[in-house]
Amino acid sequence: EVQLVESGGGLVQPGRTLRLSCAASGFTFDNFAMFWVRQAPGKGLEWVSGVTWNSGEIAYADSVKGRFIISRDNSKNSLYLQMNSLRPEDTAVYYCTKGAHPVGGLIVPSDHWGQGTLVTVSS
Amino acid sequence: DIQLTQSPSSLSASVGDRVTITCRASQTVSRYLNWYQQSPGKAPKLLIYASFTLRSGVPSRFSGSGSGTDFTLTINSLQIEDFATYYCQQSYSIPLTFGGGTRVEI
Repeated sequence: EVQLVESGGGLVQPGRTLRLSCAASGFTFDNFAMFWVRQAPGKGLEWVSGVTWNSGEIAYADSVKGRFIISRDNSKNSLYLQMNSLRPEDTAVYYCTKGAHPVGGLIVPSDHWGQGTLVTVSS
Repeated sequence: DIQLTQSPSSLSASVGDRVTITCRASQTVSRYLNWYQQSPGKAPKLLIYASFTLRSGVPSRFSGSGSGTDFTLTINSLQIEDFATYYCQQSYSIPLTFGGGTRVEI
């Protein structure tokens, strides 16, 4: 069974940093692209960032480009999101998601989602 | 970025109804349009990908159609567990954008 478990969320002041982690199990982690998708309270879904199976391709939404860094450690079956210069508008539940098709690029749907971790940016 | 516009933003329906949700893209996404269901307090679930391909395990009352810029999600014979919010997503180009969502209420 595929499992994605996010951690690292919490309350942080504007301008500070936070690192999210996602522990993956139940599938061959290094075969699939992985993503972060967020959802502000009461709002819709926003694609944040993605990384291919071998970290050969990485992409970000314009809203986080230059502030967030996605990475993965295939030896640990883990995905990360380093969030710098946080802003109140970054407040959201952050979901770790798995790409639906093996290998390939970032242009794939997400077939499994974690339960999310809440990030609150406030003074 | 490709913008996705869903309509309606919300609708009221009854068990057994047929429901149709549309998603319009600001430019062509070919067939690369996906649909997700999100129940309150839960993570989204993938229902349909590539416009009409039903994900394994998803009930056959769900169906998708369309290509280019106009797409439709249809739910035949609405069940109680189908009352949720539905999102379309394009996987044609980066960033992979989502529509604003359609809330299906009782």
